This record gives sequence, structure tokens and C-alpha cells, in this order.
Amino acid sequence: EADIYQTPRYLVIGTGKKITLECSQTMGHDKMYWYQQDPGMELHLIHYSYGVNSTEKGDLSSESTVSRIRTEHFPLTLESARPSHTSQYLCASSALVSYGYTFGSGTRLTVV
Amino acid sequence: GQQLNQSPQSMFIQEGEDVSMNCTSSSIFNTWLWYKQDPGEGPVLLIALYKAGELTSNGRLTAQFGITRKDSFLNISASIPSDVGIYFCAVLDNYGQNFVFGPGTRLSVLP
Repeated sequence: EADIYQTPRYLVIGTGKKITLECSQTMGHDKMYWYQQDPGMELHLIHYSYGVNSTEKGDLSSESTVSRIRTEHFPLTLESARPSHTSQYLCASSALVSYGYTFGSGTRLTVV
Repeated sequence: GQQLNQSPQSMFIQEGEDVSMNCTSSSIFNTWLWYKQDPGEGPVLLIALYKAGELTSNGRLTAQFGITRKDSFLNISASIPSDVGIYFCAVLDNYGQNFVFGPGTRLSVLP
């Protein structure tokens, strides 16, 4: 039973379009994360937030942006999608970091 | 930067066989996690390890936190088709802020 929800699950969009990937959690977790997963499987941290109005860039440089206006909501936006943005995007959250993350089911984005 | 290695990168086994995979680092870490990612889904936490030398089981899964705090292994006994997926290890960085994930081991189970 998922307590963290990502929409859409799949998205095919044309180059140059603006898109927002949604992520919401009902667990009241302060910490939220966005990972990009390439076809080679590796998970790359692109953004994280430790609470409302807090956002940081992760280890992998990304042209996307995030916002954290409400605790439960952590959307990711691409202003102008490109084919190089084609990937799986995973959202996660945690209460106490050492307990690990709860992941959403992901959004598979294809930019044509 | 902090880097984890997982071996093997991929493996094909027969249903019913036992599986062993490991995760190593060049640095010491004090919290190790194992996740499984089913096809088309996000990773799910399997086992968390907090103490060097600790051996923890979760059903058919057993994981150990290496005594040097630089490695961990995951064993799966009597594999079944639903064990198929990608297994990731992860360590809590030394700032205690974020987890660093390994590159994953892809497991395929042949009937």
C-alpha cells in the first residue's frame, strides 16, 4: 500500500514542452527526494528537501527545478523538455533518515 | 566522492537456488540498507543494518554488515520467480544526511 504517490506513471511529450512531475506523500515526512534512474539502473540524486521552503540540488546536475510549499507535496518541473531528459524519475521521502526512504512507483518520461 | 560497488552486476539462477550478492566501499559507513526494485516500480526497503558484524534475516533474506564497516552481503535462499528485480545497497553518508546507492545487482530467476 503506497503512501507516496507519483503522477503520471508514464508520460510521452514533445521537445520544448514544459512538464511537472507530481509527488505527494501522506506520511508527514519532512524529507523528500528526487532520483533519476538511467537505463543502466543506477539511481542519481537530483534534488532533495528537508522541509517546507527548503530545496537543495543533488549529486547529479539537472536542468529540472523543484519546490516545497507544502510538507506533503514535492513537484519537479522541466521548463523545456529535451530527449536527454528521457528517464525514470523516482520520488522518495523519509521521517528519520537512518530508517531509509520510502519510494514512489516512479514516472517514466519519454521526450520525443 | 563516496562510491559503492556491487557484485555481481547481473546474475541468472535457477528457481530454488540460493543467491549471494555483495556490496563494498572504500570508506567506512555506519548504516547499510538493502533495497529491491521490482520491474516498473520504485525500490522497497528489505533490510537495514546498523551494527558492524550484525546478521539480520527477513524471511528467506539474510544480510550481514561487515565487521570492517566497508562491506555487506545479501543472501536469498530457495529463490522463487518473484525474487526477480534489481537489488540495491545503500549507505548513509558520513554527514548523516543522505543515502548513497550502489549501482545494483540485476537478478533473473529461470523456471
